[in-house]
Amino acid sequence: KQEVTQIPAALSVPEGENLVLNCSFTDSAIYNLQWFRQDPGKGLTSLLLIQSSQREQTSGRLNASLDKSSGRSTLYIAASQPGDSATYLCAVRRGQAGTALIFGKGTTLSVSS
Amino acid sequence: ETGVTQTPRHLVMGMTNKKSLKCEQHLGHNAMYWYKQSAKKPLELMFVYSLEERVENNSVPSRFSPECPNSSHLFLHLHTLQPEDSALYLCASSQDWVALLYNEQFFGPGTRLTVL
Repeated sequence: KQEVTQIPAALSVPEGENLVLNCSFTDSAIYNLQWFRQDPGKGLTSLLLIQSSQREQTSGRLNASLDKSSGRSTLYIAASQPGDSATYLCAVRRGQAGTALIFGKGTTLSVSS
Repeated sequence: ETGVTQTPRHLVMGMTNKKSLKCEQHLGHNAMYWYKQSAKKPLELMFVYSLEERVENNSVPSRFSPECPNSSHLFLHLHTLQPEDSALYLCASSQDWVALLYNEQFFGPGTRLTVL
């Protein structure tokens, strides 16, 4: 059974700091991995999608890496800003067509000004 | 701006009430999903519809009844709920259910449900 773990559960950093969020999954047979952002009481916004054949994806100040063999992904946020404060969720799509996403519990990030 | 909308955004209901949650996607997608997000638990998939047919039901109690009248609309009918059903209910859509690549899911803002 696929399980997704995100560490740390919460993180507080001062503005301007670079930071890394971690995601691990137990079954390396995945088709893709997706990072989402969720603001309090709101829905999810997709940040980056990495296919299983890819090593990383970049969007602005965000960079996500994937090491499928070790069951790990990281989300790197450069020069953090208060507006980055949110919960970041990692989700993997199981290694089978027609299957849904398995989510981690998320990392809640707080960036202070 | 998300192409997936959900109504209502907040709902308070008693255990004997019957209510419905509505989701609409404006993205031309063929697959739609209901997820439940409870406090301190990962998002849990409830139902998946592909081309208006239910393709997955993750052991969800019968007091939750989904309906997909067309590929743009998805409903979740609620009846005789329990207080532990209080959660954020999220709807999502994707281009296809069985596509292997680039099958990104887009989420709505959710309905915050409180069962008294």
